[in-house]
Amino acid sequence: RKEVEQDPGPFNVPEGATVAFNCTYSNSASQSFFWYRQDCRKEPKLLMSVYSSGNEDGRFTAQLNRASQYISLLIRDSKLSDSATYLCVIILTGGGNKLTFGTGTQLKVEL
Amino acid sequence: NAGVTQTPKFQVLKTGQSMTLQCAQDMNHNSMYWYRQDPGMGLRLIYYSASEGTTDKGEVPNGYNVSRLNKREFSLRLESAAPSQTSVYFCASNRGFSEAFFGQGTRLTVV
Repeated sequence: RKEVEQDPGPFNVPEGATVAFNCTYSNSASQSFFWYRQDCRKEPKLLMSVYSSGNEDGRFTAQLNRASQYISLLIRDSKLSDSATYLCVIILTGGGNKLTFGTGTQLKVEL
Repeated sequence: NAGVTQTPKFQVLKTGQSMTLQCAQDMNHNSMYWYRQDPGMGLRLIYYSASEGTTDKGEVPNGYNVSRLNKREFSLRLESAAPSQTSVYFCASNRGFSEAFFGQGTRLTVV
């Protein structure tokens, strides 16, 4: 089983829609959680960190469920510019605190 | 503020040639990483370095060597390039459990 799993999509949604992505992780020693955004073949960039209490940044809301070992990302009022691949990233304790990526979920927002 | 700098941005190699990809960060980060990304696939960890003087294998280390020259620099070497190593290579760095920052990537083609 992969350490971090995501639905690869693509998710095709109309502009203005609400879309949610989930990411599951297998190692309970996971310490830090992030969502990154990657545009076509460019470097990943941090979208937001994910905190235990949940956090919101404008149209984006991230949640962490440690008991079920998943994190989620909710995007409200989707824009065309939100089209990208969204990567779930965790940092495990031990073993040098290694960054581990999910394979990413592709989002396409359409008119 | 340069962040993470990778060189070169593009490279074409012939099978059997060698080359070194350079990565430098100016954020005083302890950890540095090398990933490769193939079309339609997620980021796969090649090697990482939790601190100056230490390196560890990731998911796909075969055919590569690394060197953590100092705290700032982490290089990736292909001793005898193969077509299977055609990919986009990303370097990243972070401190502890904090977010990672990426270089702009090196697009390598081996013919």
